[in-house]
Amino acid sequence: GQQLNQSPQSMFIQEGEDVSMNCTSSSIFNTWLWYKQDPGEGPVLLIALYKAGELTSNGRLTAQFGITRKDSFLNISASIPSDVGIYFCAGRGPTGTASKLTFGTGTRLQVTL
Amino acid sequence: NAGVTQTPKFQVLKTGQSMTLQCAQDMNHNSMYWYRQDPGMGLRLIYYSASEGTTDKGEVPNGYNVSRLNKREFSLRLESAAPSQTSVYFCAGKGHRGEGGYTFGSGTRLTVV
Repeated sequence: GQQLNQSPQSMFIQEGEDVSMNCTSSSIFNTWLWYKQDPGEGPVLLIALYKAGELTSNGRLTAQFGITRKDSFLNISASIPSDVGIYFCAGRGPTGTASKLTFGTGTRLQVTL
Repeated sequence: NAGVTQTPKFQVLKTGQSMTLQCAQDMNHNSMYWYRQDPGMGLRLIYYSASEGTTDKGEVPNGYNVSRLNKREFSLRLESAAPSQTSVYFCAGKGHRGEGGYTFGSGTRLTVV
């Protein structure tokens, strides 16, 4: 099945640093979503992007829908310990794919004091 | 606000045993989904139900069956559990707006010995 390439797989950063991660696909997507998963919980939606080139922020988080519609980026500014978790990108193809999402393999973020 | 509720939270099965994972949502979602999450592989779709009364296979349906009992409930059944089905299972729902993201339950951690 189709999967998204998400990188990096994991990262250790110090509190206060900025974080960048990205997701790429061989197919065009109409929607890009970014989720965060805390230990022992289900993923929670952070940001949704609906248009190529769109840049959307949610607090310290900023995500962009790539111009080619085949990639997306998530930035976290001034990281704090509660940013720890797994971040997933997800994409939805053109109409007719039953609105199903394809998920990336995740980026595990660990923040040290 | 319960959202999407999964039961049980943890389960240990012996090889060959059967069990049903339950999922219920109170968000009036039309579509519901079952995913499994394995280390390094992200979230893979097992089955989904686009609306009450319909179910379809996802990426990894072998060894599973589902029932969309009514609009609220979508259960996942393992008829004869195998060690390869050891995983964390997530149920998710989505409203009728086509572009929206999913709301996930908190997961069921299943171990098959």
